[in-house]
Amino acid sequence: EDKVVQSPLSLVVHEGDTVTLNCSYEVTNFRSLLWYKQEKKAPTFLFMLTSSGIEKKSGRLSSILDKKELFSILNITATQTGDSAIYLCAVALNQAGTALIFGKGTTLSVSS
Amino acid sequence: NAGVTQTPKFRVLKTGQSMTLLCAQDMNHEYMYWYRQDPGMGLRLIHYSVGEGTTAKGEVPDGYNVSRLKKQNFLLGLESAAPSQTSVYFCASRQAGTGKDEQYFGPGTRLTVT
Repeated sequence: EDKVVQSPLSLVVHEGDTVTLNCSYEVTNFRSLLWYKQEKKAPTFLFMLTSSGIEKKSGRLSSILDKKELFSILNITATQTGDSAIYLCAVALNQAGTALIFGKGTTLSVSS
Repeated sequence: NAGVTQTPKFRVLKTGQSMTLLCAQDMNHEYMYWYRQDPGMGLRLIHYSVGEGTTAKGEVPDGYNVSRLKKQNFLLGLESAAPSQTSVYFCASRQAGTGKDEQYFGPGTRLTVT
């Protein structure tokens, strides 16, 4: 059975802290790994990773994939209250339709 | 360019009633998907479509039916609603053949079955 596991499930930090969110996966037909941020409504796309060791960056957020150990991390530096959200990790399968298998998400709360 | 839209935004049903959720996208995307999101469960795929006139089952298809009569629309039907179908439903779409697996999500429909 394909599965994606995120940890921790929830996290509370203070503004300015750096956080690392984890995502491990076991799937039969890996194509790519994606990170999404979900605030009150629809998930919004952050990163797509396909190759090991290549860091993707966007402002204070960065992510990297390890295809040998089957995991990815999402780092957020100098956190702000606006970073409070659910962060979702998903794996795209290499099959017709490229379905996404989602983890349960990490709920991040940043206090001021 | 509205992206992905969903109708309705909220709905309350009684057990046994039926309803249809409508998803529309104006990005000319080939692929469309229906997910449900329950607390602590992440998003789970219900059904998906790889093109007009095609549908396929996802992880949790029981109790739902779908249709894709037009490329821009993807309908999700509940024939006889059950309290276990209380959830937030998200529609998503993506383009085929781009090498990008990013799916674009609609704002969601919150459904309560009493």
